[in-house]
Amino acid sequence: GAVVSQHPSRVICKSGTSVKIECRSLDFQATTMFWYRQFPKQSLMLMATSNEGSKATYEQGVEKDKFLINHASLTLSTLTVTSAHPEDSSFYICSATRDSKNEQFFGPGTRLTVL
Amino acid sequence: KQEVTQIPAALSVPEGENLVLNCSFTDSAIYNLQWFRQDPGKGLTSLLLIQSSQREQTSGRLNASLDKSSGRSTLYIAASQPGDSATYLCAPASGSARQLTFGSGTQLTVLP
Repeated sequence: GAVVSQHPSRVICKSGTSVKIECRSLDFQATTMFWYRQFPKQSLMLMATSNEGSKATYEQGVEKDKFLINHASLTLSTLTVTSAHPEDSSFYICSATRDSKNEQFFGPGTRLTVL
Repeated sequence: KQEVTQIPAALSVPEGENLVLNCSFTDSAIYNLQWFRQDPGKGLTSLLLIQSSQREQTSGRLNASLDKSSGRSTLYIAASQPGDSATYLCAPASGSARQLTFGSGTQLTVLP
């Protein structure tokens, strides 16, 4: 149990376009979902925390108008990178928690390349 | 602000060796600590979760210990195998949302 999926796994887009990434908890209801980004050879950096039905909490330095997070249900959160630029190219990973133990289960990640 | 350091940054060992990966964190007010492995270009696989009230957790050949007061955790891997080759990440959970802070990881290579 505790499987998290992400779609798409890879996306290439042109500069200026918007890209939506989905994160789903497949076999549990997620109390909280998290979005991270990871640059090559670096560790994960938390971007934002979201709970179903409420606004996401963004980490310092993360532009909320650029990285739109919607957490519409207990099994789905989406991250939309608006007006993407080459510097937004990165590996985006989501995670979800399901109970009070607060164990985070991670998705397989989405590789975004902006040309 | 929580900061996490992992030592060593890279480690190469022959198959069969026992090894220890170290993790230290600056803020001891944590809820729990997770150890993950990450294969190149992939997401994270949770290995062990230690709650703040626990001292250690074991899963198969893996044993993780936690000394919350000194801000340290270790991951012990027994009888290493080439399939254990990956980057190992330590992440304590802290803050109001119990968010994880990641170290830079230890890149492990187990040579056949």
